[in-house]
Amino acid sequence: AQKVTQAQTEISVVEKEDVTLDCVYETRDTTYYLFWYKQPPSGELVFLIRRNSFDEQNEISGRYSWNFQKSTSSFNFTITASQVVDSAVYFCALSLFSPYTGANSKLTFGKGITLSVRP
Amino acid sequence: DAGVTQSPTHLIKTRGQQVTLRCSPKSGHDTVSWYQQALGQGPQFIFQYYEEEERQRGNFPDRFSGHQFPNYSSELNVNALLLGDSALYLCASSLSGPGNTGELFFGEGSRLTVL
Repeated sequence: AQKVTQAQTEISVVEKEDVTLDCVYETRDTTYYLFWYKQPPSGELVFLIRRNSFDEQNEISGRYSWNFQKSTSSFNFTITASQVVDSAVYFCALSLFSPYTGANSKLTFGKGITLSVRP
Repeated sequence: DAGVTQSPTHLIKTRGQQVTLRCSPKSGHDTVSWYQQALGQGPQFIFQYYEEEERQRGNFPDRFSGHQFPNYSSELNVNALLLGDSALYLCASSLSGPGNTGELFFGEGSRLTVL
């Protein structure tokens, strides 16, 4: 069975601080996908990034960066120079590749991290 | 381009009643997944529909059933409601086949309260 652990439940920072959200996953499969989603108060989950298990290259997108390390089964997310608009709940998720559904398999989510950015 | 739309946005039911939630996928998408998100928890996978058939199912009882229509829209039905069914129900759409990237587009959800 798959499992995603987000040990941090709530993080509060002051605007312009850097913040890292941790994610640890468990799976016995060798082909899988990792995701980060943002959930603002409206409830809609907003896709941020997807990585497959064969691509450990770190990625940067503007103020966001992701660090994927298979050796520690971690997929951490860093926001640089945080802003008030970054306040939301952030979820890490994992899905498995299936010959039947391809990459379109069910997501297993962590419990989420509530990030509050104060002005 | 309309994203994923869900209805109703909020509803209140009493124990034992039945509820139907509706979802229209993003234009061009053919696969619909449903998730249940209890307060303070991550979403949990209920099931996925593709080509009008249930393709995958999570660990939910038979009280939870669904349907997908030829236009790819979908319904989630929950019978014999329990207090524990109170949650935000999220619909997600995606594209299967060669264009499949595994990316899901979520709606804003239907918040169900069972009294």
